[in-house]
Amino acid sequence: QVQLQESGPGLVKPSETLSLTCTVSGGSISSYYWSWIRQPAGKGLEWIGRISTSGSTNYNPSLKNRVTMSVDTSKNQFSLKLSSVTAADTAMYYCARDVGGTNHALFDSWGQGTLVTVSS
Amino acid sequence: QAVLTQPSSLSASPGASASLTCTLRSDINVGSYRIYWYQQKPGSPPQYLLRYKSDSDKQQGSGVPSRFSGSKDASANAGILLISGLQSEDEADYYCMIWHSSAVVFGGGTKLTVL
Repeated sequence: QVQLQESGPGLVKPSETLSLTCTVSGGSISSYYWSWIRQPAGKGLEWIGRISTSGSTNYNPSLKNRVTMSVDTSKNQFSLKLSSVTAADTAMYYCARDVGGTNHALFDSWGQGTLVTVSS
Repeated sequence: QAVLTQPSSLSASPGASASLTCTLRSDINVGSYRIYWYQQKPGSPPQYLLRYKSDSDKQQGSGVPSRFSGSKDASANAGILLISGLQSEDEADYYCMIWHSSAVVFGGGTKLTVL
């Protein structure tokens, strides 16, 4: 069964860039889309975007200008960069496997999440 | 107006049924969309429950009990998650989701209390 694990700094300063990596184990990263989803404490889910192993991306329009995603198939990893962060970006960040395909999305496996706090 | 609107909370008794709604914005026709449902318990990531577009286009998540089912109310432009035979373990947050304009959209979530 595929497992996902997020990693990265838990504290980021305002205006800096948040960088997270998701490592996939128990299966190949190929042939699927890979998403990032976040959740502020006590609030709902917000999809950040996704990337395929061919490098195709879809981003949340509200975050598009600040988001960059990449994938490293040799390491079975994919990554998120979110620039110019503010306190509003403080949240639990989840990575997830998306088996929905080009015109659908279905998250069947999730990481446990990593808490990122934006503060000076 | 939000793309997907869910009631913030719902309470129901053990053994009863609970109907969780996900209303689409009026300019989006529920008939055209697959509605996905996720369950999230405190301290855990969400888990996929099921998706529903029609009786001929639906899917149950792996290991998800059949007492969780999906449907639609076209007159209300809404997707519905029906949970029958409620159990205490069903107490959780439930999120609906659609793929819209090449992006994922989540509803705000419904906190289901079983008491």
